[in-house]
Formats: sequence, structure tokens, C-alpha cells
Amino acid sequence: EPEVTQTPSHQVTQMGQEVILRCVPISNHLYFYWYRQILGQKVEFLVSFYNNEISEKSEIFDDQFSVERPDGSNFTLKIRSTKLEDSAMYFCASSILPGQPNNEQFFGPGTRLTVL
Amino acid sequence: GIQVEQSPPDLILQEGANSTLRCNFSDSVNNLQWFHQNPWGQLINLFYIPSGTKQNGRLSATTVATERYSLLYISSSQTTDSGVYFCAVDISSNTGKLIFGQGTTLQVKP
Repeated sequence: EPEVTQTPSHQVTQMGQEVILRCVPISNHLYFYWYRQILGQKVEFLVSFYNNEISEKSEIFDDQFSVERPDGSNFTLKIRSTKLEDSAMYFCASSILPGQPNNEQFFGPGTRLTVL
Repeated sequence: GIQVEQSPPDLILQEGANSTLRCNFSDSVNNLQWFHQNPWGQLINLFYIPSGTKQNGRLSATTVATERYSLLYISSSQTTDSGVYFCAVDISSNTGKLIFGQGTTLQVKP
């Protein structure tokens, strides 16, 4: 069964460093998402991406964040200068196309980011 | 913005018991999904259910879109059902952004 994959599973970094989180969405999906979950809290939407551009972003997704689809399979989230409060689980998700029947979103296993 | 409220926030069951988790939402939705977050943090898709009723083994879900709520039923609970259950809704057909509730933390005791 197709699935969303993410690498790495756990990333530890020093405050101020850049990190890139990687995702491979399901191959026939067209919409891609990043969400984050701070420990003990609910899952929060960061950004959605379609046709090589951001379609919607949340207030959390400030200038420190960027997303890219560098090739036909990968989807990345970059945090330019990490802060302590960026420590969280980051989930990638994909779906066929919003508004279409059976447009279920599928989530990857997550990358746990720890900023020291 | 849309509010998604789940109840109860915490639930403790004996193995074999049944339970009902509720999700209320404050606006019309295009999509509603239920997830189980396991102890490793993974979000497991349970149901895609913008309306109607679905069943999958011991789990079933019902969404009454006109009354803005969804219910997740767990029957004959097992210790492996423990974890956090999230409801998430999409109010926009353009981007598919999911808004999550705070979750129900379920503990099933042997």
C-alpha cells in the first residue's frame, strides 16, 4: 500500500542552525502539507503546496520557513535558523486534490526535531 | 475561525469495554478524518468520514454533518487501542487544510 515517508525520523540540532526535513508523498497525489505537533499539544497546520507553489500558510509559517519540491518525488521543509520553540514533531501529508471525492489526507510517520 | 472540540479529554477503560468519542465542529466541513496517534507518535488514519457511517472491525464512526458532530465508537477495547484519538476537519475545498481537535487520550487497562 502506498505511504508517505519522511527522513530523518529524529533530528537534533543547535539553536541557530538550518535544518531540512524531507518527505516523499504518495506518487499520484498532487497536494502536499506540513503540520507540526509540539509535545503534548494538538497537531497544527503549517503550509499547503500545490503545483509548485504555496497555496495556504499559517501564522506559524514565517520567513524562517520555506518549502520546496526539488524533484518529482521529494517535498522538503527548511527552517533557516532554528529556535528552541521549533522543537516539535513535524508531519508531512499528501492528498489527491481537495474538493474531490475521497480526498483523504495521508500522513507520514513524522520527524522529531529537537533544538538545543 | 472554526472550532473543533473533542470530548472527553481523557478516558480510562477496562479491556473489553466499549466507548464513544465525540467531535463537535462549529462550521460546515468538506472533510472529516479520525486518527489514532500511537505511542511512537505516528498518526494512523482511522476514517475519512465527511458524512454517514463507516465500520472497520471493532471501530465505527458516524458523522452528522447537518448537526456538526462526529462520533467514534470503539467496541471490545484492547490495550493496543490506547493512545490519543484526533478528529480533524477541512472547511475549505481549495487547500484541504485540516484543523485538529485537542484529542481524546484513551488508556485501556488489562
